[in-house]
Amino acid sequence: KAGVTQTPRYLIKTRGQQVTLSCSPISGHRSVSWYQQTPGQGLQFLFEYFSETQRNKGNFPGRFSGRQFSNSRSEMNVSTLELGDSALYLCASSSRGVSYEQYFGPGTRLTVT
Amino acid sequence: SQELEQSPQSLIVQEGKNLTINCTSSKTLYGLYWYKQKYGEGLIFLMMLQKGGEEKSHEKITAKLDEKKQQSSLHITASQPSHAGIYLCGAASANAGGTSYGKLTFGQGTILTVHP
Repeated sequence: KAGVTQTPRYLIKTRGQQVTLSCSPISGHRSVSWYQQTPGQGLQFLFEYFSETQRNKGNFPGRFSGRQFSNSRSEMNVSTLELGDSALYLCASSSRGVSYEQYFGPGTRLTVT
Repeated sequence: SQELEQSPQSLIVQEGKNLTINCTSSKTLYGLYWYKQKYGEGLIFLMMLQKGGEEKSHEKITAKLDEKKQQSSLHITASQPSHAGIYLCGAASANAGGTSYGKLTFGQGTILTVHP
């Protein structure tokens, strides 16, 4: 089976712009979670989608949003980018959630200038 | 909220040496994951533990979850340069609704350097 794929792998944006990141889970997996990783805060949970419904959300401002499509692919959107949004964004997929093995993609490196 | 403490924060060993990384939780663990990460890359799944007293091994890496399910250890036998990287433990915990679904809380990571 193919692993979790994320596109794009690298992105440079300017403050105030918006960005959309994409994640394709492992075939058959219905749960997709998103995380932000920074040197200062480490890995932090953003949100999780299962069968097109958001089941859980972390403590991030409303500028961070996401969605999941019927084929389980997920996108996350960050509007009005700030310098502090520069980070590695990782998505993870599992068949149903954390009671099952969760696999991560290679990440999208976002740099905000 | 749940917190995970990893120790040590960094570790430098000579190739061939054994080593242990610990992960301690402030709350009961409902599932404990171990991952390895190369800097700037994605997380590689190593093992998942769910039952108290559970122990799993893969090649030269063994992970255990203690009986009280509040601490896990990762042990590497006869370390090699290929083991170098950042090791992260991630935990699932029950939220107010009874399940954390797809949410994992992570420790700060342990940086492992293996000198040939």
